Amino acid sequence: GENVEQHPSTLSVQEGDSAVIKCTYSDSASNYFPWYKQELGKRPQLIIDIRSNVGEKKDQRIAVTLNKTAKHFSLHITETQPEDSAVYFCAATQTGNQFYFGTGTSLTVIP
Amino acid sequence: KAGVTQTPRYLIKTRGQQVTLSCSPISGHRSVSWYQQTPGQGLQFLFEYFSETQRNKGNFPGRFSGRQFSNSRSEMNVSTLELGDSALYLCASSGGPSGANVLTFGAGSRLTVL
Repeated sequence: GENVEQHPSTLSVQEGDSAVIKCTYSDSASNYFPWYKQELGKRPQLIIDIRSNVGEKKDQRIAVTLNKTAKHFSLHITETQPEDSAVYFCAATQTGNQFYFGTGTSLTVIP
Repeated sequence: KAGVTQTPRYLIKTRGQQVTLSCSPISGHRSVSWYQQTPGQGLQFLFEYFSETQRNKGNFPGRFSGRQFSNSRSEMNVSTLELGDSALYLCASSGGPSGANVLTFGAGSRLTVL
């Protein structure tokens, strides 16, 4: 089955700096890659996603890039703010709704 | 539009007991999937149901089971509870206008096994 690895597990940045979280996947058949943000005590919420026919997608301060050849995808957050502090999960799926999640990155934005 | 609703939100059980968790998906969503979330392990896929049929199943023992009803509501059951079953159990529904793959999670049911 699919195996998703996520790095780093923890990340601290100064407010206003950029944050980058990287994930690799093993199954070349995976074709949908979402990112979820989970604030403390809250449910995971989709923040951005990318499909395998696209190399990059942006939504305001958030962007995701996908390299199908290398089988990795990354989340980029620019101009970080304290409210960006949360745990971020990447995921990969081929079909249906069996998602394989990374183990999460705890992001702390220091004011 | 109501979101994904999970009940109960918190529960405490003892080893050997069984537990049933409920999930009501977003209206119109026909797919319901379940995930176990534990510290350090992330979200682990349990199973997914679509139109009352189990479409996918993760690598969990047979003590974990589920079902889906004709109104798309789903339940999962864990029998003979073990200490290691303590976790947050998340339900997610999908199939709306955002796309078949887009998961919307419920708030979760936090199970503590003593």
